[in-house]
Amino acid sequence: GDSVTQMEGPVTLSEEAFLTINCTYTATGYPSLFWYVQYPGEGLQLLLKATKADDKGSNKGFEATYRKETTSFHLEKGSVQVSDSAVYFCALSLDGNKLVFGAGTILRVKS
Amino acid sequence: GAVVSQHPSWVICKSGTSVKIECRSLDFQATTMFWYRQFPKQSLMLMATSNEGSKATYEQGVEKDKFLINHASLTLSTLTVTSAHPEDSSFYICSASGRRVNEQFFGPGTRLTVL
Repeated sequence: GDSVTQMEGPVTLSEEAFLTINCTYTATGYPSLFWYVQYPGEGLQLLLKATKADDKGSNKGFEATYRKETTSFHLEKGSVQVSDSAVYFCALSLDGNKLVFGAGTILRVKS
Repeated sequence: GAVVSQHPSWVICKSGTSVKIECRSLDFQATTMFWYRQFPKQSLMLMATSNEGSKATYEQGVEKDKFLINHASLTLSTLTVTSAHPEDSSFYICSASGRRVNEQFFGPGTRLTVL
């Protein structure tokens, strides 16, 4: 079945460090790919998305490129801030409706 | 973005009782609502999808008689966990989408603990 695999956390970084959170997927078709972020006490929020191969999604300094050849959608940010501390979820959707989530990666940024 | 609320944010109940969780879209009409379950350190698992005015569509392995879903209006869906047992303890999250919103908006979740 369709699935998403994320790197295990927690990921702990110092402020201004470079961030990469790996995400790979398996799917029977050509999915849309998403990154969601969940801040403490809040619901998941869409961070960025890409709908086809080689598309790059970007938002708030985060970016991820849809790599069909490696079935990956790694999340990157050049310089993290303490306020980026949250749980990050990679997800896919084949029908634009149902989402399949990865397990989530906790990011902790220290000042 | 659009706002989705859930109530209650946490609930503790005795084994054998039923618990109702509400999911509301506050500023848009939610034609479709989704209910997820999240176990500690695991991903969100879709339980069911409900369209306003229709019966919910349950994912494989989810007992529809145990997890009753009602989506009677464009702003409210409810999940009732019937005859709850300790293994039903979990974090339940809803999301909503509508004709004018091209993504799912998530509620903050409800922590259910069954003693």
